[in-house]
Amino acid sequence: AQKVTQAQTEISVVEKEDVTLDCVYETRDTTYYLFWYKQPPRGELVFLIRRNSFDEQNEISGRYSWNFQKSTSSFNFTITASQVVDSAVYFCALRDNNNAGNMLTFGGGTRLMVKP
Amino acid sequence: EAGVVQSPRYKIIEKKQPVAFWCNPISGHNTLYWYLQNLGQGPELLIRYENEEAVDDSQLPKDRFSAERLKGVDSTLKIQPAELGDSAVYLCASSPKYGTKNTGELFFGEGSRLTVL
Repeated sequence: AQKVTQAQTEISVVEKEDVTLDCVYETRDTTYYLFWYKQPPRGELVFLIRRNSFDEQNEISGRYSWNFQKSTSSFNFTITASQVVDSAVYFCALRDNNNAGNMLTFGGGTRLMVKP
Repeated sequence: EAGVVQSPRYKIIEKKQPVAFWCNPISGHNTLYWYLQNLGQGPELLIRYENEEAVDDSQLPKDRFSAERLKGVDSTLKIQPAELGDSAVYLCASSPKYGTKNTGELFFGEGSRLTVL
């Protein structure tokens, strides 16, 4: 069975601070995909990134960066110099190769509040 | 390009009443999903369609929930009768056919928020 755990239910930072959102996953498969989605207040989930289990390179996109550590089954997300517009709920998700389709298992989400 | 469209955005009903949600996926997306999102939790899959076929409905409470995707495009999710515990956001998502060049990304609608009184 697959499982995604986001231990931080809520984080509050002041604008311009860096913040890291943790994600730990469980799967028996050796081939799997990890995702991060953003859900703004009153908005739909927006795809941020996908990583496959064979690619452990960290990725940076502007102020966003992702740290994939297979050894600890973690896929953490860091926002550098946070902004008020980053306030949202962020979900980590997993899809393993056992899925016949494109079904994602989501974590419980981390609510990020960035204060001015 | 239009995104996934859902309606209604909000619905308030009394318990034991029926309710229906509608979803129009992104044009050309073969796969359609209905997810349930309880307050403060991540989305949980209810049902997945490949074209008009429901290929995974193991999490759908079939005693009161039903769904259909006639002609493999729009989909409707129905609850009859609704219970207090059904209050949640019902999310629809779509993706291109699995196995093609899709990145695994799901495209979500804004959701239908149901309140059962």
